[in-house]
Amino acid sequence: AQSVTQPDIHITVSEGASLELRCNYSYGATPYLFWYVQSPGQGLQLLLKYFSGDTLVQGIKGFEAEFKRSQSSFNLRKPSVHWSDAAEYFCAVGDKAAGNKLTFGGGTRVLVKP
Amino acid sequence: DTAVSQTPKYLVTQMGNDKSIKCEQNLGHDTMYWYKQDSKKFLKIMFSYNNKELIINETVPNRFSPKSPDKAHLNLHINSLELGDSAVYFCASSQALGQPQHFGDGTRLSIL
Repeated sequence: AQSVTQPDIHITVSEGASLELRCNYSYGATPYLFWYVQSPGQGLQLLLKYFSGDTLVQGIKGFEAEFKRSQSSFNLRKPSVHWSDAAEYFCAVGDKAAGNKLTFGGGTRVLVKP
Repeated sequence: DTAVSQTPKYLVTQMGNDKSIKCEQNLGHDTMYWYKQDSKKFLKIMFSYNNKELIINETVPNRFSPKSPDKAHLNLHINSLELGDSAVYFCASSQALGQPQHFGDGTRLSIL
């Protein structure tokens, strides 16, 4: 069965500093990978996705992620964090063979210091 | 216009009651989903429908019954509510299987 691990439960970063959120997955074939962001009291918004091709994918709000098959990782990065980036971030793997079911990691809460 | 809308946004009720949550999407998507997010923010798929046909049914108590009257709607009915049902329930939709999912804002269900 597929699984997703986000090792960091909380990350605190200063505004303007870089951010990297880790995500490791377990899946038998080439995965569909996603990063979602959830602001307090809101639903999930898609930041970016990887299906195939270029392993460095660009998303919205200045985020990017790199798929590394050898490490089973799909880490999310942003070069310069803004206060509005404070939120919960979820990595997910999509199971193509099971109706596009998404399996989510436990999430990483990002706090931004002024 | 809201793409995926859920009603109600908040639902407070007593143990043993029956309640429904409605979901509608105006994106023209073929596939809709229900997820449950617990108090620790863990998200888990419950159900998925593709063109009104049930395609995912995870190990969810049979007190939970989804209904899809048409491909733009996927409602969730819950019988005999229990304390452990307290959570945020998210509806989502995607254009087709394998495509990114768009989420509603969630329904926060609190059982007294």
